Parts: sequence; C-alpha cells; structure tokens
Amino acid sequence: DAGVIQSPRHEVTEMGQEVTLRCKPISGHDYLFWYRQTMMRGLELLIYFNNNVPIDDSGMPEDRFSAKMPNASFSTLKIQPSEPRDSAVYFCASSSGVAGALGNEQFFGPGTRLTVL
Amino acid sequence: AQKITQTQPGMFVQEKEAVTLDCTYDTSDPSYGLFWYKQPSSGEMIFLIYQGSYDQQNATEGRYSLNFQKARKSANLVISASQLGDSAMYFCAMRETRGGSYIPTFGRGTSLIVHP
Repeated sequence: DAGVIQSPRHEVTEMGQEVTLRCKPISGHDYLFWYRQTMMRGLELLIYFNNNVPIDDSGMPEDRFSAKMPNASFSTLKIQPSEPRDSAVYFCASSSGVAGALGNEQFFGPGTRLTVL
Repeated sequence: AQKITQTQPGMFVQEKEAVTLDCTYDTSDPSYGLFWYKQPSSGEMIFLIYQGSYDQQNATEGRYSLNFQKARKSANLVISASQLGDSAMYFCAMRETRGGSYIPTFGRGTSLIVHP
C-alpha cells in the first residue's frame, strides 16, 4: 500500500489566494483526520471524518477553512482567503476505526508545507 | 487545560545509552489509549508504540518500551541502546472518547538528539 498521499508537498501563495490541500487515505480506512502543525501551537486536530461524514470540526480555526470528503478515497482542505498566519504544515492521517478499538494507530501522510506571503 | 504534557523540550543522550522521554496526561475517561510518535527532520509522523488503559503489562516494541504508571497518569517512552537515527521529535498522544469516537490529542513534543 502506498500509504496516505498528500498533495502538494509544498505550497507558496500570496495572502488572499485560495489554497486547496488534497489527501488520499489508505484504502479501507474509514477515519480521516486533518491536522495543522506550527511551532507555536504544536499539532492541532482541525477536523475528522468517519465514513466520509464530518464528525467534529471544532478545531477548524474559522470560516475561511473548509474540508470535504466526497468519497472514501479523497478529501480536501480549503483555505479561502489565505492569510500569513495560516502558514504551517498540514497533515492528513487515516485509520481503521473499528468500534472500541482504541489501539488503531493513525497513519500520517507526509504533510503539505504551506507558506502564505 | 492541557491534556498531554511533555515537560522536556529537549533531551540529549549518548549513542548506545538508554533514554526516557516523559509524558503525563489528564483524563476522566476510564477507557483511553496512549501513543508515541516519532517525527524525524524529514517531517513524517511515525507510529512507535501503543498502551491501552486496561492493559496490564507495559507495551514493548523492539527498542521502545512504554513505562505506564496509571496512578501517576504517566506514560514515559524508554528507548534502549540509542542510535543516531533516533534523533527526532517525539510526540505523546492520548486517545479518548470524543464525538462518539476515539480521538487523539497530542503533546508539544520532545526533541531528542543522540550524540556519537
């Protein structure tokens, strides 16, 4: 299996532009997570999906952020409009969340390093 | 309130020696899981080891072991016989019930440098 795939790996954009980050989870995994990592705030959970349905988006910083999962093999995280403070590494992770299975590890993608100028 | 606390921002160890990375947690959930991840300079997050709150024995995975002290709410990672390739950031995470699922919260991490 190729693991979790994220694209692009690096993104540099200007303030005000729309940014779309993409993620392909591991086949068969029914949970998908979006994280943001910064020096100031560490690794923050933004949103997670179960069977393509958003379950908890309380970590999404504001309305400029939106995430979708149109099918089991694809998810997007969109920032519109982008701001310099959105600069961070964005990780996508997936896991097989059998009910009650606390030990199901998350598999992380390589991350997208976003720089907003 | 911080749920996962890693008090050591940076640690140094001599190659081939053992090192302990501290992690304390806070939860009122009787059922939870604790994880450690490694993040090398290349940036990817690598799963190392898992401990369930009801597990009787401490988890071990090769050179990694988890010193789980439930009463003290600590889940320290022990790396035996350190190698240069162990130099990385290490994150402790706790998975607890949230929104009907088990969702992890990560600590701020500890930077480990292994000296030759």
